[in-house]
Amino acid sequence: DAMVIQNPRYQVTQFGKPVTLSCSQTLNHNVMYWYQQKSSQAPKLLFHYYDKDFNNEADTPDNFQSRRPNTSFCFLDIRSPGLGDAAMYLCATSQIGGFGEKLFFGSGTQLSVL
Amino acid sequence: AQSVTQLDSQVPVFEEAPVELRCNYSSSVSVYLFWYVQYPNQGLQLLLKYLSGSTLVKGINGFEAEFNKSQTSFHLRKPSVHISDTAEYFCAVSLITDSWGKLQFGAGTQVVVTP
Repeated sequence: DAMVIQNPRYQVTQFGKPVTLSCSQTLNHNVMYWYQQKSSQAPKLLFHYYDKDFNNEADTPDNFQSRRPNTSFCFLDIRSPGLGDAAMYLCATSQIGGFGEKLFFGSGTQLSVL
Repeated sequence: AQSVTQLDSQVPVFEEAPVELRCNYSSSVSVYLFWYVQYPNQGLQLLLKYLSGSTLVKGINGFEAEFNKSQTSFHLRKPSVHISDTAEYFCAVSLITDSWGKLQFGAGTQVVVTP
């Protein structure tokens, strides 16, 4: 059973048109992450939530925002997508409280910008 | 700051042959080490992890990795690959002082298994 679910699987948007990607989890984990993975590159952390506390990476563009209305859901908002934002967006979760908890990844949303 | 280097961007290998994927890291503090696999158009799946203890770590699908602190390496091996092992493999580190468990990934190694 899928534990980290990302919708949609593929998303096409237009240059400059706001788009929202969604992630839900059934693990009740307290941390949720958003990674951006461009073609043939390593995943890059954009930000993460610890419960409702938002933590932005220093080099994440302002164009990217996130919302976490409750434990189960987290959204990635791209306010004005550019061609360079085309990528796979990966959501992941983990539970803080031990050592080196592994991250559970969703299957990703492949974003295309036309 | 920590960094992860995967020395091979692509590794072609014949079915039933062994494979080794190399990973080196640098960090001023101790780290946890991970290998993830990504099949085409899918998310990442954990293969194995090193937190402490035995330096030889066994993971899923017959993979194993060995942590070498002196060489700051964490190479991944499989003695006999299958066609289904064709995928992208990522080495990653997490600082033990980082309670968030954030991962720093290497650039990935594409493994292509042919009959």
